[in-house]
Amino acid sequence: GDSVTQMEGPVTLSEEAFLTINCTYTATGYPSLFWYVQYPGEGLQLLLKATKADDKGSNKGFEATYRKETTSFHLEKGSVQVSDSAVYFCALSTSSNTGKLIFGQGTTLQVKP
Amino acid sequence: ETGVTQTPRHLVMGMTNKKSLKCEQHLGHNAMYWYKQSAKKPLELMFVYSLEERVENNSVPSRFSPECPNSSHLFLHLHTLQPEDSALYLCASSPSGGDTDTQYFGPGTRLTVL
Repeated sequence: GDSVTQMEGPVTLSEEAFLTINCTYTATGYPSLFWYVQYPGEGLQLLLKATKADDKGSNKGFEATYRKETTSFHLEKGSVQVSDSAVYFCALSTSSNTGKLIFGQGTTLQVKP
Repeated sequence: ETGVTQTPRHLVMGMTNKKSLKCEQHLGHNAMYWYKQSAKKPLELMFVYSLEERVENNSVPSRFSPECPNSSHLFLHLHTLQPEDSALYLCASSPSGGDTDTQYFGPGTRLTVL
């Protein structure tokens, strides 16, 4: 079945460091890919998404490119801030699964000043 | 209010209690979802409603009973729960339930079953 695998955390970085969180997926058909972020005590909110191969999603300095050949959607940011500390979830959705999101296990990011 | 709201934010209940979680969306969306977020496990979809009709029940035990009286409201009725049901329950909505839709999440209800 469809699945998403994320790198295990926690990831601890110093402010202004470069961030990469790896995400790979397995899916039948052509999924849409998402990154959601969950700040402490809050629900999830969309960070960025890409709906077809080679699309790049971007928001708030974060980027991810839909790579069909490697079935990946890695999240990157050039310079993290303390306020980026949160849990990041990679997810996919396909037209064959009623639009439901299938999530990875989440990666906790802690950014230290 | 805007967005997706959930009440209560915290709930403690015994195994013999009956309680309900409420979700309301003010976004004009047609699809609503219940997810369960447990410690150290990926988010799990529980139910999907599209235009008030349940389109997916993800093998959820019958002690969880959803209700969608209209496209703005979603309930999760709870009865005879087990301690392992303690988790954060998240509600979400999306415009049409399509695979490219962004889902908008509420803040969740933190449920503790004693």
